[in-house]
Amino acid sequence: EAGVAQSPRYKIIEKRQSVAFWCNPISGHATLYWYQQILGQGPKLLIQFQNNGVVDDSQLPKDRFSAERLKGVDSTLKIQPAKLEDSAVYLCASSLQGGDYEQYFGPGTRLTVT
Amino acid sequence: AQSVTQPDIHITVSEGASLELRCNYSYGATPYLFWYVQSPGQGLQLLLKYFSGDTLVQGIKGFEAEFKRSQSSFNLRKPSVHWSDAAEYFCACAGNNRKLIWGLGTSLAVNP
Repeated sequence: EAGVAQSPRYKIIEKRQSVAFWCNPISGHATLYWYQQILGQGPKLLIQFQNNGVVDDSQLPKDRFSAERLKGVDSTLKIQPAKLEDSAVYLCASSLQGGDYEQYFGPGTRLTVT
Repeated sequence: AQSVTQPDIHITVSEGASLELRCNYSYGATPYLFWYVQSPGQGLQLLLKYFSGDTLVQGIKGFEAEFKRSQSSFNLRKPSVHWSDAAEYFCACAGNNRKLIWGLGTSLAVNP
């Protein structure tokens, strides 16, 4: 079974530029999560999708971050414009259903904003 | 409010020695508890989880954890550490809202 795929693995941009990350969850997983992990910290949930609907986006900085999961499968997270403090690893995870606690994580995208 | 504390930021052990990583949680009822491992440049991998029942939980890679309600703890143990166990370890808990709350992690270094 293929795992959660993410791309790109690394990205370096200048502040005020925009960037997009892509995630393809495990086949059949209805729930998809985007996390931000700043160095030295645990993951912070940015947004949770159940199929193509948003379940929780309470910690998503909506003035600059957006995410979509149009067909209920893969998802894109965008930052526009980026700030220095957005430098982090962006992790995508998926699970079978909202009630299933076991989340499977992708390798992450390391973003550096200069 | 729900929270997870991992008191040890960094731990160094010798290969073959035993390991215990501490995790304390704050929650009004019995939470769902997890340990994840993150190797350099990798995503997070679930080691084990506790939902209910037997308080000693066995996981992958020879790890186990014990839930102690009286101490609000869920410590991770391994009897003999291998060099490949060097990684970042995260404890997490979830309550009825099913949202994972993460600790800050413990970085494990293994001396040969």
